Amino acid sequence: AQRVTQPEKLLSVFKGAPVELKCNYSYSGSPELFWYVQYSRQRLQLLLRHISRESIKGFTADLNKGETSFHLKKPFAQEEDSAMYYCALLIYNQGGKLIFGQGTELSVKP
Amino acid sequence: NAGVTQTPKFQVLKTGQSMTLQCAQDMNHEYMSWYRQDPGMGLRLIHYSVGAGITDQGEVPNGYNVSRSTTEDFPLRLLSAAPSQTSVYFCASSRLTGGNEKLFFGSGTQLSVL
Repeated sequence: AQRVTQPEKLLSVFKGAPVELKCNYSYSGSPELFWYVQYSRQRLQLLLRHISRESIKGFTADLNKGETSFHLKKPFAQEEDSAMYYCALLIYNQGGKLIFGQGTELSVKP
Repeated sequence: NAGVTQTPKFQVLKTGQSMTLQCAQDMNHEYMSWYRQDPGMGLRLIHYSVGAGITDQGEVPNGYNVSRSTTEDFPLRLLSAAPSQTSVYFCASSRLTGGNEKLFFGSGTQLSVL
């Protein structure tokens, strides 16, 4: 079955602490994974995609096919990182469709 | 450039009523999709389309119909609303080149079914 799992509903850290938002996936094909973010009163937007191997706003995510994971990391959290984060998996089927995990709310306290 | 526009922003329905959520994009995107967002469930794909005249079911299609008569528009129809359809609905679009394009989201429609 194709599935994206984010085990933590809420992650609360203090400013300056490291952050890791967990994402595990189940997919028989070659995975393409993304992180989307929804800041308060803003639209969902792409944060980063694994194929680009990029770092956005200090966040990175590495695809680990052995552990079927795509965890999002940041070494020093900032208050403005507080948001809802969604991990997403691209399913290649008639052009592709994106399925999302349950989401993790990140709260960064001062 | 408006991006993805959803209307209405808020709607209250009675059980059994029908309505259409509108979605339009002005970016000439081939791919359009509808999601519902529920607490603890994340975003779940309802229906999607890879071009005019082509639609397909997502993870939770029951109770919803879609059509894609033009590239720009992708309306979502609730034929007989049920309380279980109370949710926030998001429309999203993207280009369709290799499947790695980012989705552009609308601002959402908050629907309550009483």
